[in-house]
Amino acid sequence: AQRVTQPEKLLSVFKGAPVELKCNYSYSGSPELFWYVQYSRQRLQLLLRHISRESIKGFTADLNKGETSFHLKKPFAQEEDSAMYYCALANSGGYQKVTFGTGTKLQVIP
Amino acid sequence: ETGVTQTPRHLVMGMTNKKSLKCEQHLGHNAMYWYKQSAKKPLELMFVYNFKEQTENNSVPSRFSPECPNSSHLFLHLHTLQPEDSALYLCASSSSVGRDQYEQYFGPGTRLTVT
Repeated sequence: AQRVTQPEKLLSVFKGAPVELKCNYSYSGSPELFWYVQYSRQRLQLLLRHISRESIKGFTADLNKGETSFHLKKPFAQEEDSAMYYCALANSGGYQKVTFGTGTKLQVIP
Repeated sequence: ETGVTQTPRHLVMGMTNKKSLKCEQHLGHNAMYWYKQSAKKPLELMFVYNFKEQTENNSVPSRFSPECPNSSHLFLHLHTLQPEDSALYLCASSSSVGRDQYEQYFGPGTRLTVT
């Protein structure tokens, strides 16, 4: 069974401080990991995926298979980053069966 | 309207009522999904449809009955629900091809309260 764990329900950081949202996963096969974000009064949307190795809005995430982690990082938090962040996993054989974590609320303090 | 729309946005129903949730996508996708989001729980996948055919039923109770008449529309028919079914029900759509399948586009959700 595949499982995604986000240990922090709430993460508060000051503007300009580094951000790290933790995500650990459990899956025996080859996972596809990604992050979704939900800003206030907006719908859930894809932020980034690990295979793209891209930086979106200054956020990056590296898949660490040894630690089974996919932490989301940003060097300098901005107020507009305040949102709910969900880590998600799909197995390479069934991209549509996505397992989401419980989410972490990021609060950036001005 | 563009994207994924859901109606109604809010619904209160009694346990003996029958109601339906509607989802429509204007993105040309061929896959549609229903998710349930309860307080303090992860987003739970309920059903997946590809080209109008159900390809995933994640052990959902039969009091939830999905219907997909075409690739643009998805319904969730509700009957004899329980109070614990109160939640936010999200619809999503995606491509059915390759890795684009997991870039899912979500609707705003229907907030369901069962009394």
